[in-house]
Amino acid sequence: GAVVSQHPSWVICKSGTSVKIECRSLDFQATTMFWYRQFPKQSLMLMATSNEGSKATYEQGVEKDKFLINHASLTLSTLTVTSAHPEDSSFYICSANDLAGGVDEQFFGPGTRLTVL
Amino acid sequence: AQTVTQSQPEMSVQEAETVTLSCTYDTSENNYYLFWYKQPPSRQMILVIRQEAYKQQNATENRFSVNFQKAAKSFSLKISDSQLGDTAMYFCAFMKRNSGNTPLVFGKGTRLSVIA
Repeated sequence: GAVVSQHPSWVICKSGTSVKIECRSLDFQATTMFWYRQFPKQSLMLMATSNEGSKATYEQGVEKDKFLINHASLTLSTLTVTSAHPEDSSFYICSANDLAGGVDEQFFGPGTRLTVL
Repeated sequence: AQTVTQSQPEMSVQEAETVTLSCTYDTSENNYYLFWYKQPPSRQMILVIRQEAYKQQNATENRFSVNFQKAAKSFSLKISDSQLGDTAMYFCAFMKRNSGNTPLVFGKGTRLSVIA
């Protein structure tokens, strides 16, 4: 199956700093990628849909100025958490569809654990 | 909007036994997919099984099978011959079909423990 990578796998930062998380489709092109957030012992909640070459679409309640998404190429989307605070500590997961593969299936990255001190 | 409901927060099963995880969903769509994902302690999401709504036949993948009841909007997962490695969170998920790029809608999950 298609492979999605994320970097870094974990990050610890100080409150007020910004953190960038990368999501790459390694062996396919993805015009759209999705960013989810997962708090401990909870389900995945969609934060935003990242569209190559255009603005991301954010879910209700997600601050677009705080969670900046850039999808500059067909294989890379980045999520930047700006002015991070402890409440932003969570597990962030990206996914993408390999439409060229002929199957409607999303492939997930391994996730990034963000801890804000 | 679609919703997915998993009513069993936790379940346990003896090794080698069979367990069924429940999932119901609500949608006005006619063409869609349903999935079961496994999330082990590593937190990597792993696809267990998928069902296309237009197919009446229930999907099976080795020890995993589903009971898809479209009219009742029910999609349960049966795990046969449970193994210790099946211990994980299991998420039921919904996705529209043929819409290009739509996200998954997840249920709250069921934590399954397989006991030796």
